Amino acid sequence: EGQLVESGGGLLQAGGSVRLTCAASGFTFSNYPMSWLRQAPGKGLEWVGAIRGEGIDTFYSDSVRGRFTISRDNSRNTLFLQMNSLTADDAAVYYCAREVWLSDYSGRFDPWGQGTLVTVSS
Amino acid sequence: QSVLTQPPSLSGAPGQRVTISCTGSSSNIGAGYDVHWYQHIPGTAPKLLIYGNNNRPSGVPDRFSGSKSGASASLVITGLQAEDEAVYHCQSIDNNPTSWAFGGGTKLTVL
Repeated sequence: EGQLVESGGGLLQAGGSVRLTCAASGFTFSNYPMSWLRQAPGKGLEWVGAIRGEGIDTFYSDSVRGRFTISRDNSRNTLFLQMNSLTADDAAVYYCAREVWLSDYSGRFDPWGQGTLVTVSS
Repeated sequence: QSVLTQPPSLSGAPGQRVTISCTGSSSNIGAGYDVHWYQHIPGTAPKLLIYGNNNRPSGVPDRFSGSKSGASASLVITGLQAEDEAVYHCQSIDNNPTSWAFGGGTKLTVL
């Protein structure tokens, strides 16, 4: 079924940078697009960005485009999220998740990691 | 402001039936995109509960069921148990512009 484990969060300064890591196991990592999502305190889930299985094409939400970079190392079954120019609005629990598509009309996330907390201080 | 609308909170007594609604529009659920539901106990990984509107992954009890009609979907939990206390999120796709669509989450309290 697969398992995902995030790491790398912590207390960061506004304007700072951090790299989150997501270690995957239990499935053929390179076969799947992977996404990063986040949930800020008191708010709903927000998709941050994604990367295709081969690692070439990436996609980002408007709120992070130009500041965040997603990459992956398929040889190590690992997904990364490089976060630069952090602001208070980036404070959230960050989750990695595997995208599963049955058709163009049916995309979902399964499994998810347990999340890693990013706190931004001004 | 979430694209899909869910009630922020619901409660029910053990053994009761609860229904969590997820209301979208003609650019997401109403356009034919599937709805998926996740159960999230804070501090743990969100778990896929229902996929493709009404399908349960293996291991999910049949107390959980999903449905979709028009631009809305529902998650029904029957025989409510204490372990069902969690936040439930609905998710679909929106085509205006093309993006993932989430509800704001419903916090279910078991009294």
